[in-house]
Amino acid sequence: QKEVEQNSGPLSVPEGAIASLNCTYSDRGSQSFFWYRQYSGKSPELIMFIYSNGDKEDGRFTAQLNKASQYVSLLIRDSQPSDSATYLCAVRGSAGGGNKLTFGTGTQLKVEL
Amino acid sequence: DAGITQSPRYKITETGRQVTLMCHQTWSHSYMFWYRQDLGHGLRLIYYSAAADITDKGEVPDGYVVSRSKTENFPLTLESATRSQTSVYFCASSDAGGLDDFGPGTRLLVL
Repeated sequence: QKEVEQNSGPLSVPEGAIASLNCTYSDRGSQSFFWYRQYSGKSPELIMFIYSNGDKEDGRFTAQLNKASQYVSLLIRDSQPSDSATYLCAVRGSAGGGNKLTFGTGTQLKVEL
Repeated sequence: DAGITQSPRYKITETGRQVTLMCHQTWSHSYMFWYRQDLGHGLRLIYYSAAADITDKGEVPDGYVVSRSKTENFPLTLESATRSQTSVYFCASSDAGGLDDFGPGTRLLVL
């Protein structure tokens, strides 16, 4: 079982719709959770992070964390063609792990006109 | 400008040659990381460093060597390049708060 799992997609949504990206993780001791956006040929860019159960909103982005279910999600409201990218879920493990991130393989999002 | 720089951005080499990828950050972040990104595998950690002169292995360290004599630099050396090391290499850094920032990447082709 992979430590961080994501559906590879592609996930296609029409412009203006809500895109929902999901991620599960295996380490129950994980403490912090991140979403990165990566455009083709570019480096990953941090867009959201969440540490506590519940929702965290930043503009059109909402990160949701459920530690009991070991589940993290990213919602993108009013999706735009510029949101088309690969979204990487990353998890930082238990304390003492050297600040390491473990990444999922990413979900490709396509926002269609 | 503050940030992370990587050099070279593109490199073609032959099997058996030694290659060093450079990473430099200007934030004085304590943590630095090297990842490789391959189709189907995502980002995998090669080595990381918590501070100058402190390094540790990640998920895929075989065939790589790192050093960190200064906080701002974290070079990655492929001692004897193999075709399986053809990849995109990303350097990243973070402070103790743990928000990682990535460099632009180095695209390495081993022939």
